[in-house]
Amino acid sequence: GIQVEQSPPDLILQEGANSTLRCNFSDSVNNLQWFHQNPWGQLINLFYIPSGTKQNGRLSATTVATERYSLLYISSSQTTDSGVYFCAVGDDGYSGAGSYQLTFGKGTKLSVIP
Amino acid sequence: GAVVSQHPSRVICKSGTSVKIECRSLDFQATTMFWYRQFPKQSLMLMATSNEGSKATYEQGVEKDKFLINHASLTLSTLTVTSAHPEDSSFYICSALLDKTYEQYFGPGTRLTVT
Repeated sequence: GIQVEQSPPDLILQEGANSTLRCNFSDSVNNLQWFHQNPWGQLINLFYIPSGTKQNGRLSATTVATERYSLLYISSSQTTDSGVYFCAVGDDGYSGAGSYQLTFGKGTKLSVIP
Repeated sequence: GAVVSQHPSRVICKSGTSVKIECRSLDFQATTMFWYRQFPKQSLMLMATSNEGSKATYEQGVEKDKFLINHASLTLSTLTVTSAHPEDSSFYICSALLDKTYEQYFGPGTRLTVT
């Protein structure tokens, strides 16, 4: 199956700093999502971005599908940004039998300190 | 929009008993829902895919007789952990597939502790 690697595994930032999280995947994908898992375990959708660039406030993401990677940018980080950021990819289309599954990377644990 | 709920959020049960976890899509219909398990400080592991009106598809190594999944309506899927043992203690998370965009939206999770 498809392999997903995220880097760095851990990141500590001073409040206000910027950061870039990376997600590499081993095969072509037609689905890529970024999530933030908060300290209580809830996964929050950040971006659905199988290709291209999107921005939402202080967050933006870019996926270069041909080179099999995606980047998540966090600008002016805040303590509430702390948590684990997951990249998840899907590599098959709907066929009516358990499709649209996501394979998750191991995540980047971000700690933003005041 | 695209809100998914799970109930209960926490449950403690004795070894040998069964526990049912509900996953509901609150503001959209979901033909497909997924069940994941997450161990501490680890990533999410897909357990099974739940399709409304049909049998669930289980991932390799997941016992279908132990983890019973029922997707009886377009807004509700349930996971029943039968004859629970301490090794079943974990964080269980469901997601629902938004058909028009194929994004998955996640519930808040259920922390199961088996004593």
